[in-house]
Amino acid sequence: IVLTQSPLSLPVTPGEPASISCKSSLSLLHSDGNNYLEWYLQRPGQSPQLLIYLGSNRASGVSDRFSGSGSGTDFTLRISRVEAEDVGVYYCMQTVQAEAYTFGPGTKVD
Amino acid sequence: EVQLVESGGGLVKPGGSLRLSCEASGFNFNRYSMNWVRQAPGKGLEWISSITFGSSYIYYADSVRGRFSISRDNAKNSVYLQMNSLRPEDTAVYYCARDGGFFLDFWGQGTLVTVSS
Repeated sequence: IVLTQSPLSLPVTPGEPASISCKSSLSLLHSDGNNYLEWYLQRPGQSPQLLIYLGSNRASGVSDRFSGSGSGTDFTLRISRVEAEDVGVYYCMQTVQAEAYTFGPGTKVD
Repeated sequence: EVQLVESGGGLVKPGGSLRLSCEASGFNFNRYSMNWVRQAPGKGLEWISSITFGSSYIYYADSVRGRFSISRDNAKNSVYLQMNSLRPEDTAVYYCARDGGFFLDFWGQGTLVTVSS
């Protein structure tokens, strides 16, 4: 499964909203009703951290400024009001194929 | 507190071997699948391998299948990545990550592997 993200670079203004798109070459909707699509943020010099899992569930401790939506092949990560700490690279990842997880190319937010 | 600490990285010549370790603490290790993810310098993330909690299922990315081998020792709360026939394109930071149920909810700090003559 190939994931594409857009844009690949996203200049943002503090206090303004932002959104990133992730499109999959195959549906990520499992027969159990879940979309196996996650979002991660890698801040400069840090390890990636989980933001959103199963398409729209915020991970523990993640700000409610982050939200995920979408189903099937089209997904979106939204930041309601960008803050300085949100800069970094955002990756989507699919886990519907347990034998071959894949990441999107990343979107650099600065 | 969940902690994952990778070790074993370093400089190795092309064709050489290296074994990475990831020691886990702060959770019941034998109930979780584990993954290895790598990141080449200045590049994106690449999932490379996973192993289920009882080692029943093991998966590899095409880029490493046949050269890398993942294993775990639940008694030592550790997961390993044996890397053989290393190539310059294997140069990367290697992260281990806990699989919280088809999402990677905790990551280590990474260990750098450099393949160069």
